[in-house]
Amino acid sequence: GAGVSQSPRYKVAKRGQDVALRCDPISGHVSLFWYQQALGQGPEFLTYFQNEAQLDKSGLPSDRFFAERPEGSVSTLKIQRTQQEDSAVYLCASSLRTGRNHSPLHFGNGTRLTVT
Amino acid sequence: DQQVKQNSPSLSVQEGRISILNCDYTNSMFDYFLWYKKYPAEGPTFLISISSIKDKNEDGRFTVFLNKSAKHLSLHIVPSQPGDSAVYFCAALSGGSNYKLTFGKGTLLTVNP
Repeated sequence: GAGVSQSPRYKVAKRGQDVALRCDPISGHVSLFWYQQALGQGPEFLTYFQNEAQLDKSGLPSDRFFAERPEGSVSTLKIQRTQQEDSAVYLCASSLRTGRNHSPLHFGNGTRLTVT
Repeated sequence: DQQVKQNSPSLSVQEGRISILNCDYTNSMFDYFLWYKKYPAEGPTFLISISSIKDKNEDGRFTVFLNKSAKHLSLHIVPSQPGDSAVYFCAALSGGSNYKLTFGKGTLLTVNP
């Protein structure tokens, strides 16, 4: 596709429910990132994949958060037993490569998660 | 603690004038800086970047200035246009990482016709 596609755009979950957020990166992009953006804040790094390998998950807030990219393309961010503090916009981004000749991140429009 | 700080939550300028967005950082390991622009309900889009080996980078109406000794960078937009109205995020990369961006909280720019 032309850009990074995320679904759903909006998700309302009751506290304690599990949710799964999907990201379709730009075709051919090796690197994939998940960021969390709380209201009034900048995006915060969650995790990074290079192809199917999850190279960094240091930003995941707790073990309730899990991300995968099994075939090196589509990625899913799963949040188990959602809590109110999980309410945020979850942004997926992809880039052709990483490195000092930085390939800018292309962000999707995000999934707005509201936990009630 | 906030390693990238955008101390002005909002800025309003007249069309045709210069917009100056500021960003300060505390981490001396940051060596690459980027500006992203975000419209409501959309993801951020890359605008311009600068390496710490430079003090200025220009792309059309957009210029980024870096003052390493002051740990300060700024984005100049001239002339400003109503379509520039958006939230602008400053972001930084550490020399120890070539992928993990640290973002500021953003500044909402409004350009009035």
